[in-house]
Amino acid sequence: DIQMTQSPSSLSASVGGRVTITCRASQSINNYLNWYQQRPGKAPKLLIYAATSLQSGVPSRFSGSGSGSGTDFTLTISSLQAEDFANYYCQQSYTTPWTFGQGTKVQIK
Amino acid sequence: QVQLQESGPGLVKPSQTLSLTCTVSGDSISSGGYYWSWIRQHPGKGLEWIGYIYYSGDIYYNPSVKSRVSISVDTSKSQFSLRLSSVTAADTAVYYCARTLGPGNGIDVWGQGTTVTVSS
Repeated sequence: DIQMTQSPSSLSASVGGRVTITCRASQSINNYLNWYQQRPGKAPKLLIYAATSLQSGVPSRFSGSGSGSGTDFTLTISSLQAEDFANYYCQQSYTTPWTFGQGTKVQIK
Repeated sequence: QVQLQESGPGLVKPSQTLSLTCTVSGDSISSGGYYWSWIRQHPGKGLEWIGYIYYSGDIYYNPSVKSRVSISVDTSKSQFSLRLSSVTAADTAVYYCARTLGPGNGIDVWGQGTTVTVSS
């Protein structure tokens, strides 16, 4: 299985601040990398697919990038809003079994 | 818009079979190109993809549960189902049904999730 490792596991940030979460795959996954937001008690919500594509309806303060290596990816929230405090997960869909990172908790500073 | 809704028992005894159903509304489950998945989340933990059934009928299971799992579809009822046999406390989780257009598209529609507890 492809292992997905997120860092950090948690972070504290202020409203209006910039947040960066990284995700590393144990092997190249090309750009088959997706990002999700999960609020407490809710189902995950797709934010970014194919590493850089913004899902319809998702605010433009969310963006995704890849390093070009096929293993390192980043989710950036450019100006954190109150509703963005949540858990974030990356997921590879390059090969089955599709696997998720362990999550990053974004907390209020 | 497409909506998914899980249903099934919230409590299952150890060694028994967990059975859940996902009802799809707002679209045909047999419309082209979609993968219909089951995903679970252990309490306070991350997400684990269990498997999918493709609109064509192809099925794939995560090797971690392959010997115990079965996913099927009933197009007449617009439902797909999960059966997980010989459950233990380790199968206690929130179970989600979900939809994706394919590997390059992410999982764009999720059910609200249903909590299943394995306990005697």
